Amino acid sequence: EVQLVESGGGLVKPGGSLRLSCEASGFTFSAFSMNWVRQAPGKGLEWVSSISSTGGDIHFADSVKGRFTISRDNVKNSLYLQLSSLRAEDTATYYCARSPTDFMDVWGLGTSVTVSS
Amino acid sequence: ENVLTQFPGTLSLSPGERATLSCRASQSASSPYMAWYQQKPGQAPRLLIYGTSSRASGVPDRFSGTGSGTDFTLTISRLEPEDFAVYYCQHYSGSPPFTFGPGTKVDFK
Repeated sequence: EVQLVESGGGLVKPGGSLRLSCEASGFTFSAFSMNWVRQAPGKGLEWVSSISSTGGDIHFADSVKGRFTISRDNVKNSLYLQLSSLRAEDTATYYCARSPTDFMDVWGLGTSVTVSS
Repeated sequence: ENVLTQFPGTLSLSPGERATLSCRASQSASSPYMAWYQQKPGQAPRLLIYGTSSRASGVPDRFSGTGSGTDFTLTISRLEPEDFAVYYCQHYSGSPPFTFGPGTKVDFK
């Protein structure tokens, strides 16, 4: 079964850091670009970051550029998102999602990040 | 950046009725394709349509997508109780960012 499982979310103070992980199974992880998408409570979907299959092409939304880092380990079949200098507006459920091309066909269940003092 | 507008914001219908959801892009991009996702409360988004009109695996044929240029439509031919959810359109112009619309909520009349 094709599956993505996120972990690492939690409560963090403003200015703090957190590392999210996404473990993939059931498919050839190294063949796909991967993404992080977030959803603030009661709001819509916001693309956060993308990384190509080899990790050589990386992009970020302007809202997180310079604060978040994306990486992947194709041996461990895992995707990561390092969140730094966190703000209240970063509070959201963070989903990892697979991209065959220009859409996202497999999504994890998400991990919740709350930034609050 | 291509901004997506979805309308209506909320669609109140009854089971068995036809639902027509619209998504308009602010510019006609080089990549003409639109994707649609369904999200139910407490769940992750689910891909319904990609490449404007191709149904994802396991998606019932009552869901269909059409459109070109800047105007795209998701149609649910006959609403089933499990179809009441929020629907998002998404565009990708060949390089990030991916852009999502604000969503249309389909709820019970």
